[in-house]
Amino acid sequence: DIQMTQSPSTLSASVGDRVTITCRASQSISSWLAWYQQKPGKAPNLLIYKASSLETGVPSRFSGSGSGTEFTLTISSLQPDDFATYYCQQYDTYSRTFGQGTKVEIK
Amino acid sequence: EVQLVESGGGLVKPGGSLRLSCAASGSTFSSYNMNWVRQAPGKGLEWVSSISIRSGYIYYADSVQGRFTISRDNAKNSLYLQMNSLRAEDTAVYYCASEKVTALVYDAFDIWGQGTMVTVSS
Repeated sequence: DIQMTQSPSTLSASVGDRVTITCRASQSISSWLAWYQQKPGKAPNLLIYKASSLETGVPSRFSGSGSGTEFTLTISSLQPDDFATYYCQQYDTYSRTFGQGTKVEIK
Repeated sequence: EVQLVESGGGLVKPGGSLRLSCAASGSTFSSYNMNWVRQAPGKGLEWVSSISIRSGYIYYADSVQGRFTISRDNAKNSLYLQMNSLRAEDTAVYYCASEKVTALVYDAFDIWGQGTMVTVSS
C-alpha cells in the first residue's frame, strides 16, 4: 500500500499567517492527491483535488501544488474559520490512503 | 448534488455483527462510486471499502478484508456495510462518502455523510 506522511503533525499559527502543510507519498502518485479539512465532530470537507484544483465553493486562499511524491497545501492568509485538522489522501490506487493529519492551532 | 445520511451504528460485543446503511437523496445515486471511511476516537481517517457504480468493482482495506462486506442497492438509493467478527479496534465513526463524478477510475470524495458511531465493547 502507498503510505502518506504529513508534516508537521501540529502547527501553531496566527490569523493572517501564511501556512504550508506538506504531504509525501511512499511512491509516485502523479497528481492524484486530495486535501480535506475537518473540524471537531464534523465530517471532512474536500478542499483540493488532483493536487491543485480548488473544489467549488472553497475560498481562494487555499491552494495546492506538487506532483509525484511531494505535495503542499498552502493557506495564504489564515482566517479564524481555518483552525482545523487537514488530511491529504492519495487516489492513485484503489486503496485510498490518508495522511495522519495536521492540526492547525491558534498561536 | 447527493446528500448522504448514515444509520445503524451502536454498541456491539466483540465477535458480533452490525449492518450500517447510508441513504442518498437529491441526485442520481447510481452515478456515484461510493466508499466507507472510518475514524477511531481521537485518530485520523482510514479508508475502509469502496464499490463502483454497478457493484462490479469492490475493494477493502486489509484491516477489514474477510470480515466486512460492502453492497449497494441503486433502486433504493442506499449503500450498506455488513460488519462481522467485530473487534475493539473497529470502534470508530463510520462515514459514507461519494466520489466526484468524472471519467476517472478513482477520484476524491466530495460528499460525506455526518457519520454513525460504532462501539465494540463487552
